[in-house]
Amino acid sequence: DGGITQSPKYLFRKEGQNVTLSCEQNLNHDAMYWYRQDPGQGLRLIYYSQIVNDFQKGDIAEGYSVSREKKESFPLTVTSAQKNPTAFYLCASSPGNTQYFGPGTRLTVL
Amino acid sequence: KQEVTQIPAALSVPEGENLVLNCSFTDSAIYNLQWFRQDPGKGLTSLLLIQSSQREQTSGRLNASLDKSSGRSTLYIAASQPGDSATYLCAVTVSNSGYALNFGKGTSLLVTP
Repeated sequence: DGGITQSPKYLFRKEGQNVTLSCEQNLNHDAMYWYRQDPGQGLRLIYYSQIVNDFQKGDIAEGYSVSREKKESFPLTVTSAQKNPTAFYLCASSPGNTQYFGPGTRLTVL
Repeated sequence: KQEVTQIPAALSVPEGENLVLNCSFTDSAIYNLQWFRQDPGKGLTSLLLIQSSQREQTSGRLNASLDKSSGRSTLYIAASQPGDSATYLCAVTVSNSGYALNFGKGTSLLVTP
């Protein structure tokens, strides 16, 4: 069953804690992306990676970190430095001309 | 910086009507434009992809047009159905930022029976 998986679906975090959101794809895509969505807003780019062991900051990278050690995986860590982390996080992968999205993770800070 | 605007923000129509969703972008140097559908609490489903050299794409009851010079795209939905109720997002790809997508805020569509 090919596609993009994100886990967990729902995540709760206490203030001051770091959390890591998982994104895995078995589509053999080189490029992967993380977006954040707030209510009534479009998606905003956090980080992207075009090849293994390389990644670039997007428009709102502050307070986030990523790694790309394997082609299939692109985890996102939300650090305590992110002032307003409650949001819906979407991961995508791309073979080049279009993007395929995972089901998303909803993060809530308590 | 590329800005993408979608009008209207929300739309309610009775079943069977034809409707048009609008998208505009400020920088015409795009790689392509996509229309997505998003159901509440879910990820995005790609509906139509228009390359920068194309004028329109069609899939079933959906037709999307692109006028790159004027920075506009429209999504036409024919004979709307209650199952079409969702948020529709327009996004453009630019060649910088690793071909990431720049999104509008979406149009929330409700089709009533």
